[in-house]
Amino acid sequence: QKEVEQNSGPLSVPEGAIASLNCTYSDRGSQSFFWYRQYSGKSPELIMFIYSNGDKEDGRFTAQLNKASQYVSLLIRDSQPSDSATYLCAVVGGTYKYIFGTGTRLKVLA
Amino acid sequence: EAQVTQNPRYLITVTGKKLTVTCSQNMNHEYMSWYRQDPGLGLRQIYYSMNVEVTDKGDVPEGYKVSRKEKRNFPLILESPSPNQTSLYFCASSLFTDRRLGYTFGSGTRLTVV
Repeated sequence: QKEVEQNSGPLSVPEGAIASLNCTYSDRGSQSFFWYRQYSGKSPELIMFIYSNGDKEDGRFTAQLNKASQYVSLLIRDSQPSDSATYLCAVVGGTYKYIFGTGTRLKVLA
Repeated sequence: EAQVTQNPRYLITVTGKKLTVTCSQNMNHEYMSWYRQDPGLGLRQIYYSMNVEVTDKGDVPEGYKVSRKEKRNFPLILESPSPNQTSLYFCASSLFTDRRLGYTFGSGTRLTVV
């Protein structure tokens, strides 16, 4: 089992819809959870950080964390074509080691 | 501007010719790390450094060396590059005291070894 798993996609959603991206992790001791967005050929950029159970909202983005079920998700409301990118989930444990998922490619169709 | 600067952006080299990819950050971050990114394999950590003169292996350290003589710089050295090191490389840094900030990544170095 991979330490951090994401569906590679592509996930295709129409413009204006909600995109839902999911990530599961294996280490129950994980403490911090990040979502990064990466455009093709570019470096990852941080879009969300969450560390406690529940929802965290920032503009059109909502991160959801459920430690009991070991999953973290990212919702993108009112999806735009400019949101088309690969979304990387990263999980950090007590040793400060970042474990990245392989990413989910999102395509927002105009 | 707070940033991580990597150079060069693109590099084509021949097997066995030593090369160095430079990485510098201006945010006084303690933690610096090198990753390689390959299709289907995601970001894999090569080496990391928790502070000056403190470095350790990541998941795929074979064929690479690093040094951390100054807090701001963390070069990646390939002593004898091979074609299987053709990849997209990222340097990243972060601040221990505020984990909410996550990593700041450099712009990447696309390396081709022929």
